[in-house]
Amino acid sequence: IAGITQAPTSQILAAGRRMTLRCTQDMRHNAMYWYRQDLGLGLRLIHYSNTAGTTGKGEVPDGYSVSRANTDDFPLTLASAVPSQTSVYFCASSGQGRDEQFFGPGTRLTVL
Amino acid sequence: GQNIDQPTEMTATEGAIVQINCTYQTSGFNGLFWYQQHAGEAPTFLSYNVLDGLEEKGRFSSFLSRSKGYSYLLLKELQMKDSASYLCAVIDSNYQLIWGAGTKLIIKP
Repeated sequence: IAGITQAPTSQILAAGRRMTLRCTQDMRHNAMYWYRQDLGLGLRLIHYSNTAGTTGKGEVPDGYSVSRANTDDFPLTLASAVPSQTSVYFCASSGQGRDEQFFGPGTRLTVL
Repeated sequence: GQNIDQPTEMTATEGAIVQINCTYQTSGFNGLFWYQQHAGEAPTFLSYNVLDGLEEKGRFSSFLSRSKGYSYLLLKELQMKDSASYLCAVIDSNYQLIWGAGTKLIIKP
């Protein structure tokens, strides 16, 4: 793989179900991020990780959890999905916090 | 609170020049990014400014004035493929990236 990948591309999910969005990068970047993008609101940071083994909360962390067991992978879990979590989710990575971020292709999630 | 303002939508003509403005109020400043995002796709990096002045990169230029909390992205010789949203983002004092809502640019023939 080259760059940053996300899976699945899209998903329709029943409310109350658990869902994990996957993100993998092969650029050996230290920092990784999860955003959600909703029409008219721009990108909002859900969680981030500055380096493997550490995570932090962003602007809208409620209802989401992340882990960073290694440098390459940064999965995002919705423990019990709700309709307000319907959105497009982007994973991104950067060398350091001040570096440009590279984005994955996104996951379009619909919660019914 | 932290805030980044951009126009919601702009329209321009193919071959012309357009300037997209961004004003920001953030806790600290460690740089400003411009990203391009085509509909249904991921954002891609366009430019980075950390010092005052103009950075030129082909048809695209980005300007920064830290004292005014202001930046603009200048697109010259517009092409139809430049139809996209343009996102302004500022790195704050905690090295978090604060994003504007984006400006949708519509190019007409």
